Amino acid sequence: DVQMTQSPSSVSASVGDRVTITCRASQGISSWLAWYQQKPGKAPKLLIYAASSLQSGVPSRFSGTGSGTDFTLTISSLQPEDFATYYCQKANGFPWTFGQGTKVEIK
Amino acid sequence: EVLLVESGGGLVQPGGSLRLSCAASGFTFSNYNMNWVRQAPGKGLEWISYISGRSSSIYYADSVKGRFTISRDNANNSLFLQMNSLRAEDTAVYYCARVFTGGYDYWGQGTLVTVSS
Repeated sequence: DVQMTQSPSSVSASVGDRVTITCRASQGISSWLAWYQQKPGKAPKLLIYAASSLQSGVPSRFSGTGSGTDFTLTISSLQPEDFATYYCQKANGFPWTFGQGTKVEIK
Repeated sequence: EVLLVESGGGLVQPGGSLRLSCAASGFTFSNYNMNWVRQAPGKGLEWISYISGRSSSIYYADSVKGRFTISRDNANNSLFLQMNSLRAEDTAVYYCARVFTGGYDYWGQGTLVTVSS
């Protein structure tokens, strides 16, 4: 099975900071990658699909890049509501494995 | 408005069974593939099962294969997960999620399953 590895596991940042999260697949997955945001006690929310397509209603400060094995989620200017845990997920072939998550915390 | 509402969670003893349901509304249910995803307390997300719109394709994670069965009733806009031979490590919040192009665009609120004696 393809393994998904996120880094870092956590990041401390301030409002207005640029934050970058990386997701690496153990085998190439083309652009079949999604990013989610999850806040405590809530269901995940789709941010990015197909590696770089912004889901409807998601602020443009979120962006995704990458293909093959290396992917990046960038928050261009961190807002108070962005403090959450972020997950990547491969979206082709089963299992649709998630990364282990990256917690974005307030510095 | 798209809504997914899970039910059926609760406390069950090891070796027991539970049947989870997910009631869908606000979209043509039969047109969408569906999944179950779970999250153990304080842990990350784990995909556990997929079913296509017409139930022609079904997949399971190795961790639940042979114990869990996914099904759907398109006439009643419902998704199910029959869970047998439950173990302590199956304790988690279980979410149903709708498949979008390369991701899950709608999720339910989750239902908690606790396996404990």
